Amino acid sequence: AQSVTQLDSHVSVSEGTPVLLRCNYSSSYSPSLFWYVQHPNKGLQLLLKYTSAATLVKGINGFEAEFKKSETSFHLTKPSAHMSDAAEYFCVVSDPGSWGKLQFGAGTQVVVTP
Amino acid sequence: NAGVTQTPKFQVLKTGQSMTLQCAQDMNHEYMSWYRQDPGMGLRLIHYSVGAGITDQGEVPNGYNVSRSTTEDFPLRLLSAAPSQTSVYFCASSYRTGTGLNNEQFFGPGTRLTVL
Repeated sequence: AQSVTQLDSHVSVSEGTPVLLRCNYSSSYSPSLFWYVQHPNKGLQLLLKYTSAATLVKGINGFEAEFKKSETSFHLTKPSAHMSDAAEYFCVVSDPGSWGKLQFGAGTQVVVTP
Repeated sequence: NAGVTQTPKFQVLKTGQSMTLQCAQDMNHEYMSWYRQDPGMGLRLIHYSVGAGITDQGEVPNGYNVSRSTTEDFPLRLLSAAPSQTSVYFCASSYRTGTGLNNEQFFGPGTRLTVL
């Protein structure tokens, strides 16, 4: 069975400072992992995905995530936050052969202050 | 391509009423699914389909029905709405890869449903 834990429900950062969103997963297999972003009253947009290739994954808008199997983690980072990064972020896991059934974390709300 | 479209965007129902949330995709994706989003719980899978004529239950299927008669459409039916079904509903689609690995899912804009 697959599961995801996002370790912070809220993160507040100042504009221009680094962002770190933490995610731990549980899976019996080598899963696919995703980060999605949801801006207020919008749908979900894929930031990046890991599917067993390079462990450091680069996504859109300067975000990247590192897959660490030994720590079962997939933390999302960005070197310098922008006001437009204020949104909710979801870490998502999917086991191979599960036909894309996604298991979502509870989400991390990011607030960016000037 | 319009991608994944959902109608309506907003809906208010009274307890016991029925309705259908529409979802369509024009990407020829085999896989379609419905999620509901509730505060602090992320998105939870309601039903999914791996192709026309094939559907299965997800994590929270009670109170919802689906069918898939075409590749493009995947409607979600609420037979007798309850206040616990107040939520935001998202439809998503995806496609199979040759490696069998799971691809990203493409999400619609959502339907905000309130049941009084």
